[in-house]
Amino acid sequence: EADIYQTPRYLVIGTGKKITLECSQTMGHDKMYWYQQDPGMELHLIHYSYGVNSTEKGDLSSESTVSRIRTEHFPLTLESARPSHTSQYLCASSEGDRGRIFSEAFFGQGTRLTVV
Amino acid sequence: GIQVEQSPPDLILQEGANSTLRCNFSDSVNNLQWFHQNPWGQLINLFYIPSGTKQNGRLSATTVATERYSLLYISSSQTTDSGVYFCAVTSRNSGNTPLVFGKGTRLSVIA
Repeated sequence: EADIYQTPRYLVIGTGKKITLECSQTMGHDKMYWYQQDPGMELHLIHYSYGVNSTEKGDLSSESTVSRIRTEHFPLTLESARPSHTSQYLCASSEGDRGRIFSEAFFGQGTRLTVV
Repeated sequence: GIQVEQSPPDLILQEGANSTLRCNFSDSVNNLQWFHQNPWGQLINLFYIPSGTKQNGRLSATTVATERYSLLYISSSQTTDSGVYFCAVTSRNSGNTPLVFGKGTRLSVIA
């Protein structure tokens, strides 16, 4: 069973505020990811990491940033929230070899962000 | 990059009916997963199936990697099966990027 946690589950915040969405996993997985999903739509990759001190941008342009200082922690930060950032953000992790092959991914429960 | 197409986009079933969901992909894959997204937005892992056939209760999946498609079978559907089913893949040939998702199949099971 996967152990990956996201906080907060729901967040309503004003325009211009700085926010950090937390994601932690206890499985020791090297690889972690952030996806963005509008209601009822497909998921788009915004950031991923192969391991500590590794971060990569995904396919969807995003104004957010990430860091990977510890294996288990992969926070996502928005420096200045805007209404266009309103969405669901899903964090995932997977293990695999030390290369760049991605094995089975497990997702957290998501954070629903509303910027007013 | 790799393209993932799911069909049908929407499906309405009477409780107890069977259904087949399809996922086509445009390139060789080294990972294929099926997920169920519940009404609360959480993605539940159904199958990790880059090739072959697996079964889990009323659900089963088959991936024919050489023909670039996967099928998810739901038998004796229940109202709790409602939600969105996503297929996601990683490409063997496109720099080993993380999972690319299809647009999903929205399933509604009516009592």
